[in-house]
Amino acid sequence: IAGITQAPTSQILAAGRRMTLRCTQDMRHNAMYWYRQDLGLGLRLIHYSNTAGTTGKGEVPDGYSVSRANTDDFPLTLASAVPSQTSVYFCASSESESTEAFFGQGTRLTVV
Amino acid sequence: GQNIDQPTEMTATEGAIVQINCTYQTSGFNGLFWYQQHAGEAPTFLSYNVLDGLEEKGRFSSFLSRSKGYSYLLLKELQMKDSASYLCAVRDQDYKLSFGAGTTVTVRA
Repeated sequence: IAGITQAPTSQILAAGRRMTLRCTQDMRHNAMYWYRQDLGLGLRLIHYSNTAGTTGKGEVPDGYSVSRANTDDFPLTLASAVPSQTSVYFCASSESESTEAFFGQGTRLTVV
Repeated sequence: GQNIDQPTEMTATEGAIVQINCTYQTSGFNGLFWYQQHAGEAPTFLSYNVLDGLEEKGRFSSFLSRSKGYSYLLLKELQMKDSASYLCAVRDQDYKLSFGAGTTVTVRA
């Protein structure tokens, strides 16, 4: 089934540990996005990529890094997790800059 | 950066109409999107406006005025299943897609 897949679905992580959230899409979409969603704050853009090989910073990029080595994958890395990074993380993709974004099912991350 | 404002909560009765307003200030404009999100689920796409005017899609309509930085989502013939958060999102000149905090709509019988 075509779509966008995130892994893991949920994770409890010790503070200071490194963690990579995976995102894969098989729709050959050019643009991909990472958001975090916190109660009362809505979806906040962390990083984005308009096409393979390029990335850009969103609203809340500190403490996160991304790479876009190919069209399908857009991993998000927390180099040294902190409790304030406890959140639900959504990956999304869109065919182009002018089309709607489709979302993965989300990753619930708890940093303790 | 982006400023996208929408009301926090709205309540309406089953069968009624509700209008959710969204105002935005962005660096450039490349489209406005509305999404629906049920609790514990991912957002799903509802509508897209890039030109001024009204887009109608079944019970849902969305309006855009670029000169006013304003949009609204109109939900008609409300059903209990429409209880959800509704998210306004704007794509800017760099094609970043940014969201407002969302409007929680509660439909009462």
